[in-house]
Amino acid sequence: NAGVTQTPKFQVLKTGQSMTLQCAQDMNHEYMSWYRQDPGMGLRLIHYSVGAGITDQGEVPNGYNVSRSTTEDFPLRLLSAAPSQTSVYFCASSEQGARYGYTFGSGTRLTVV
Amino acid sequence: TQLLEQSPQFLSIQEGENLTVYCNSSSVFSSLQWYRQEPGEGPVLLVTVVTGGEVKKLKRLTFQFGDARKDSSLHITAAQTGDTGLYLCAASGGSNYKLTFGKGTLLTVNP
Repeated sequence: NAGVTQTPKFQVLKTGQSMTLQCAQDMNHEYMSWYRQDPGMGLRLIHYSVGAGITDQGEVPNGYNVSRSTTEDFPLRLLSAAPSQTSVYFCASSEQGARYGYTFGSGTRLTVV
Repeated sequence: TQLLEQSPQFLSIQEGENLTVYCNSSSVFSSLQWYRQEPGEGPVLLVTVVTGGEVKKLKRLTFQFGDARKDSSLHITAAQTGDTGLYLCAASGGSNYKLTFGKGTLLTVNP
């Protein structure tokens, strides 16, 4: 099993550009989440999903959209990139939810210039 | 907002030493997890504890959940250079979708 796969690994965007960070898992997990990790801030929840067709906002959702058309995929869209969105983004999935722990992808390092 | 305070923030020790890192909060949690993260990688789940007073062991690592389910500790015996990494605690409260993370303890084990 590949686990949680994130692409790309690195990305540089110009302010105002849009892009999609891809996330796929092959474990048939219902719960999926997107986190961002910033120095001194820890990991913060952006959006989450509890199953195909069901998504909701986390702590820091502004500037990001998500959709969950299949169990496997949970892409994160940056609508109009801003320097404040420079961060490392992690996708995570779980069979039973946050109470039992998440499997994380290896991350996407995004720089917005 | 539930906050998790981890201490110490940084820890540098010699191979063979013992260490303990702490994760504290004023909130009660339904579960608490410990992750280890290496540079350029995502966090990897080490353990989940759900019962107050619970102790779990993973080789040289011992995890304890406080009786009141507000705090936890991670003890490493005879640290090895391979233990180097960022140790994160994360807790789940009333919802089953959100984890609240501490800011981590960066452990360096020197040969």
